[in-house]
Amino acid sequence: EPEVTQTPSHQVTQMGQEVILRCVPISNHLYFYWYRQILGQKVEFLVSFYNNEISEKSEIFDDQFSVERPDGSNFTLKIRSTKLEDSAMYFCASSLGLAGEFSEQYFGPGTRLTVT
Amino acid sequence: AQSVAQPEDQVNVAEGNPLTVKCTYSVSGNPYLFWYVQYPNRGLQFLLKYITGDNLVKGSYGFEAEFNKSQTSFHLKKPSALVSDSALYFCAVSSLKDTGRRALTFGSGTRLQVQP
Repeated sequence: EPEVTQTPSHQVTQMGQEVILRCVPISNHLYFYWYRQILGQKVEFLVSFYNNEISEKSEIFDDQFSVERPDGSNFTLKIRSTKLEDSAMYFCASSLGLAGEFSEQYFGPGTRLTVT
Repeated sequence: AQSVAQPEDQVNVAEGNPLTVKCTYSVSGNPYLFWYVQYPNRGLQFLLKYITGDNLVKGSYGFEAEFNKSQTSFHLKKPSALVSDSALYFCAVSSLKDTGRRALTFGSGTRLQVQP
């Protein structure tokens, strides 16, 4: 069964450093997403991506964040200058996104980001 | 703004007994409702969804959920619980009232503990 994969599983970085979290969505999916979950809190939407551009973003997704689909398979989230409060589990997801349909999102296992 | 409430942090049930995990929601427009399950060190796994049609939807692993528009609820149920059902369950909602909006809003999660 196809699945969303994410690397690395755990990333430790120092405050102010740039990090790139990587995801490989399910191959025939058209919509891609990033969510995050701060320890003990809700899963929160960050951004959705469709047709090589951002479709929607939350207020969390400020200028420090960017997303990219550098090739036909990878989908990345970059945090330009990490802050302590960026420490969280980051989930990538993808969905079919067919016109007129609201298909479910399939989530990866997550990358735990720890900012020290 | 859309929101989801899961009023119980934890639900305890004996193996073989029926289980219910509660969820209420608030959206503008028609809701699209989802249940996800999270096992330790795993991503969110899709269980079932309500988009339109029958109010009772069936999903993976014998789970079902009932959409109740008047009570704005989407409770997750299973007739006979298994110890292996013990996990963290998330209810999520979205609405396409705003064009292209597919972001999911999650509840805070309910931990299901099934005792042998």
